[in-house]
Amino acid sequence: GAGVSQTPSNKVTEKGKYVELRCDPISGHTALYWYRQSLGQGPEFLIYFQGTGAADDSGLPNDRFFAVRPEGSVSTLKIQRTERGDSAVYLCASSLNVGGVTDTQYFGPGTRLTVL
Amino acid sequence: KQEVTQIPAALSVPEGENLVLNCSFTDSAIYNLQWFRQDPGKGLTSLLLIQSSQREQTSGRLNASLDKSSGRSTLYIAASQPGDSATYLCAVPASGGSYIPTFGRGTSLIVHP
Repeated sequence: GAGVSQTPSNKVTEKGKYVELRCDPISGHTALYWYRQSLGQGPEFLIYFQGTGAADDSGLPNDRFFAVRPEGSVSTLKIQRTERGDSAVYLCASSLNVGGVTDTQYFGPGTRLTVL
Repeated sequence: KQEVTQIPAALSVPEGENLVLNCSFTDSAIYNLQWFRQDPGKGLTSLLLIQSSQREQTSGRLNASLDKSSGRSTLYIAASQPGDSATYLCAVPASGGSYIPTFGRGTSLIVHP
C-alpha cells in the first residue's frame, strides 16, 4: 500500500483479556516504531525495530506488552491481561532508515484501544 | 531526559491571520527537529524536518525555524485557512544521538471562517 496501515481501527475489550494490534509499514522501510497516545498528550515511545530485531524496547511499560516483527515487515503489538489504564490510541510509524538526520517517520491512523 | 514544551496549548483565530507556534526543548544536542500535524482521530503527518545544521525550512505557507543553542523552534503559518485546523506537534531526539523521538503535547489550532 501507499502508506502505513493499522488494524483494527478500534478495539474494545474487557479487563484481563489479550489483544493483538497489527501494523503494516510502507514497503521497503526498515525501521518501525510503536507509540501510545493518550488524550491531550503527544505520542509516547514504546518500541522500535530495525529489520526483524527490537533495537530498543525501553518504552514498553511492563512485561504485559510485547511486540514482534518476524519477517522485517508487518509488526504485531501484543498486550496480555489488559488493564483499563491501557486504553489509548496505539500508533505505528515506519521510516526508511532509523536515526538518519533526514529520517522522516510516516504514521499510520492508529488503533483506538478501549479496555472496559 | 529530554523535555519538550509547546506554547500555546490551544489557539483559535479568524481566517487570514499569520500564526506562530512555539516549541522548546531542554537538551539541545539534537540532530534534527520535526513538526507534525495531527487531525482528529488520525495519525501524524510530517510537515517539516530541520536538520541541526539548518536554521529554517519552508513548505508552502509553513516556515519552521530552529535555534538549537537556545533550545527553541517556531512554526510560522502564513495566511491561515480553516483547513489548517489541527493539532501541531514538534518532536526532537530523546537525548544526544538517540533515535527515539520525544514529542510535545501539541498546539491545538482552530481557524474559523
